[in-house]
Amino acid sequence: GIQVEQSPPDLILQEGANSTLRCNFSDSVNNLQWFHQNPWGQLINLFYIPSGTKQNGRLSATTVATERYSLLYISSSQTTDSGVYFCAVRWAGGGNKLTFGTGTQLKVEL
Amino acid sequence: GAVVSQHPSWVICKSGTSVKIECRSLDFQATTMFWYRQFPKQSLMLMATSNEGSKATYEQGVEKDKFLINHASLTLSTLTVTSAHPEDSSFYICSATGTGNQPQHFGDGTRLSIL
Repeated sequence: GIQVEQSPPDLILQEGANSTLRCNFSDSVNNLQWFHQNPWGQLINLFYIPSGTKQNGRLSATTVATERYSLLYISSSQTTDSGVYFCAVRWAGGGNKLTFGTGTQLKVEL
Repeated sequence: GAVVSQHPSWVICKSGTSVKIECRSLDFQATTMFWYRQFPKQSLMLMATSNEGSKATYEQGVEKDKFLINHASLTLSTLTVTSAHPEDSSFYICSATGTGNQPQHFGDGTRLSIL
């Protein structure tokens, strides 16, 4: 099956800092989503971005499908951004299933 | 946006009990629903895929007689953990999607603790 690796695995930021999270995948995909899982376990859908660039407030994401990676940018980070960030992909060999990445644990400190 | 409601959010029960978790799509028709399990500090692992009116497709290593899935309508899927044991304690999350290449929308999850 497809492999989905995220980096870094852990990240600690001071409030106000910017960061870039990366998602690498081993095969062609036709769907990619970024999620934020908050401390209560809720998965918040951030972006549906199989290709191109999207922005939503302080967050933006870019997927370069031909090079098999996606980036999530967080600017002016806030303590409420803390949690785990997952990318998840749907690939041609997997039907309509999503395969989740390994996750990035983010902690934003004052 | 699309809303998926999952109930209950927390269950604590004795070993040997069967537990049912419901997943509902509130404002769209969910032709496909998915059930995931997440252990602490780990990623989400897909357990099974269910299409409305069809038998669920289970991932390798998931016991279909242990985890019963029903998807009888376009808005409701249920997961029943039969004769639950402490090793079944986990965070279970459902998701739903419509037809075509649509994003998956997730419920808020159910924390299951078996004593």
